[in-house]
Amino acid sequence: GAGVSQTPSNKVTEKGKYVELRCDPISGHTALYWYRQSLGQGPEFLIYFQGTGAADDSGLPNDRFFAVRPEGSVSTLKIQRTERGDSAVYLCASSLTGPSYEQYFGPGTRLTVT
Amino acid sequence: AQSVTQLGSHVSVSEGALVLLRCNYSSSVPPYLFWYVQYPNQGLQLLLKYTSAATLVKGINGFEAEFKKSETSFHLTKPSAHMSDAAEYFCAVSSTGGAGGTSYGKLTFGQGTILTVHP
Repeated sequence: GAGVSQTPSNKVTEKGKYVELRCDPISGHTALYWYRQSLGQGPEFLIYFQGTGAADDSGLPNDRFFAVRPEGSVSTLKIQRTERGDSAVYLCASSLTGPSYEQYFGPGTRLTVT
Repeated sequence: AQSVTQLGSHVSVSEGALVLLRCNYSSSVPPYLFWYVQYPNQGLQLLLKYTSAATLVKGINGFEAEFKKSETSFHLTKPSAHMSDAAEYFCAVSSTGGAGGTSYGKLTFGQGTILTVHP
């Protein structure tokens, strides 16, 4: 079956611009996670959705970052007034609900802020 | 708070040699532990996971890991390295949490270990 997909695969934007990153999870997965991976680092948690609601957004770095999952499937990560420090690979993962379940990762969106 | 430490950001082995990638974790509750592999320009792929069923866990591509509670370790091994094993490997611990009695797994990753395999 289809895995997790993310679009775009690459995004270059100017400082101060707004960007949206999209994630299509595996069908039937109620849990959806966003992570950010900076160069040379492991992924860092941003936000977790259970169904349509953001159950844990403790990893969002500041209020410029926001994510939605209006129908409990596709999710969009939104970044306002981008800064150069936002440059990273943004990873989306989905899974069944529960801490022991494998998270399936998408290929990521590489965001570059110039 | 949970954390993961991977000792050695780079490991280099000869083809056919033993692979040992080290991972230590800290967790206030019995953890769920994972090893993921990331090939260049690809997403993370699960190698194996520990969920308390057995301390020695076998995964894909001949990898295995042993959970040692007394040492808070979950080292990844493979008896004989292959050129195709060259990639970056991440150890992760899953934390439980959630309001209203829900439980979910927020992954905390280590810094990663780049494995190089030379002929």
